[in-house]
Amino acid sequence: EVQLVETGGGLIQPGGSLRLSCAASGFTVSSNYMSWVRQAPGKGLEWVSVIYSGGYTYYADSVKGRFTISRDNSKNTLYLQMNSLRAEDTAVYYCARELTTVTHNWFDPWGQGTLVTVSS
Amino acid sequence: SSELTQDPAVSVALGQTVRITCQGDSLRSYYASWYQQKPGQAPVLVIYGKNNRPSGIPDRFSGSSSGNTGSLTITGAQAEDEADYYCNSRDSSGNHRVFGGGTKLTVL
Repeated sequence: EVQLVETGGGLIQPGGSLRLSCAASGFTVSSNYMSWVRQAPGKGLEWVSVIYSGGYTYYADSVKGRFTISRDNSKNTLYLQMNSLRAEDTAVYYCARELTTVTHNWFDPWGQGTLVTVSS
Repeated sequence: SSELTQDPAVSVALGQTVRITCQGDSLRSYYASWYQQKPGQAPVLVIYGKNNRPSGIPDRFSGSSSGNTGSLTITGAQAEDEADYYCNSRDSSGNHRVFGGGTKLTVL
């Protein structure tokens, strides 16, 4: 079964750092595009970052320079290192496998999400 | 980057047909994918590409595209279809991704 499980969320003070993990089973993280998507309380989905199978990384403007996406091939795990956290980063963070063709992309499956709360 | 625009809320009578739309410049180059999200749950893929349904998604869900607009149609809406629906595509650069603001579907 293809599955993703996120861990690492919690309460963190503004300016702090946190690392989220996303453990995959049923497929190989390094052979796929992998994304992080977040959802602030009561709000819509916001794409955060993607890592391509070739290692290229891209970030939403809202997190560029503060967040870093990476993966550990030996652990088949995706990470999101979040630094200089702000109140507006408070959200449920989902990881998702991204499948792509020339004309479209889609996210499947999604993890269950992990809540990050940035507050003093 | 680019934006995808969805109507915030749509309602449909039980058993009737409803179309949820998504507009954006990137949809002239890329097909939208569609996700269903129920309260407290992770999003679930319902439509991708021109009109593809993942295994397990009922055939009352279908997708279409015209110009800068992608559409998700539910033919014969059921009570369990009440949820938030989000569209997604790559942006015009091809390297960023973008979600629509979401449409809350109410089944009356």
